[in-house]
Amino acid sequence: GQNIDQPTEMTATEGAIVQINCTYQTSGFNGLFWYQQHAGEAPTFLSYNVLDGLEEKGRFSSFLSRSKGYSYLLLKELQMKDSASYLCAVMDSNYQLIWGAGTKLIIKP
Amino acid sequence: GAVVSQHPSRVICKSGTSVKIECRSLDFQATTMFWYRQFPKQSLMLMATSNEGSKATYEQGVEKDKFLINHASLTLSTLTVTSAHPEDSSFYICSASSGREEETQYFGPGTRLLVL
Repeated sequence: GQNIDQPTEMTATEGAIVQINCTYQTSGFNGLFWYQQHAGEAPTFLSYNVLDGLEEKGRFSSFLSRSKGYSYLLLKELQMKDSASYLCAVMDSNYQLIWGAGTKLIIKP
Repeated sequence: GAVVSQHPSRVICKSGTSVKIECRSLDFQATTMFWYRQFPKQSLMLMATSNEGSKATYEQGVEKDKFLINHASLTLSTLTVTSAHPEDSSFYICSASSGREEETQYFGPGTRLLVL
């Protein structure tokens, strides 16, 4: 079956760095997405990786290893507003999105 | 974990026809369901929120007469795109919430609509 795993909850300190991991097993691969979702709001697109390696976009970076079925989202210089759920989703060979359950990130002062 | 399914996964239709997309929560009761539209590499755009047994709440700019939403039961919501046009071609995603887990939403796999 298809499966996406990511931690349920993480806690980090303002100003620090946090890495949110995502492992996947899917039938085919057409890219991996990371979204940020604040409570009561629609998910906001953060990144899309289809090739191996690290992509940096400001304070956020996303890494992909297709051979390992592994990705991580790296958040630097954490701010209180980064408290949110982070969703990992993989597009499979049928161009369907397989979603992780989301990681709730709690930022403490 | 909670599972949400969508049917069909992809549909191709002629301009002017109507298309119905189903969203089902398979192992939990969804008091609230959300319909999103996704553009390539962009954020999900919330179209409407529906609560079981009541009328859907549409976001600004979304035509309620064009995108008909019915949430007739706690496990099923449908989105009907009426008189579809090529500009309606998109990836439609639903999500469901049981209302018990701090508004956690469980997302469906999406339906790819192509209007010719």
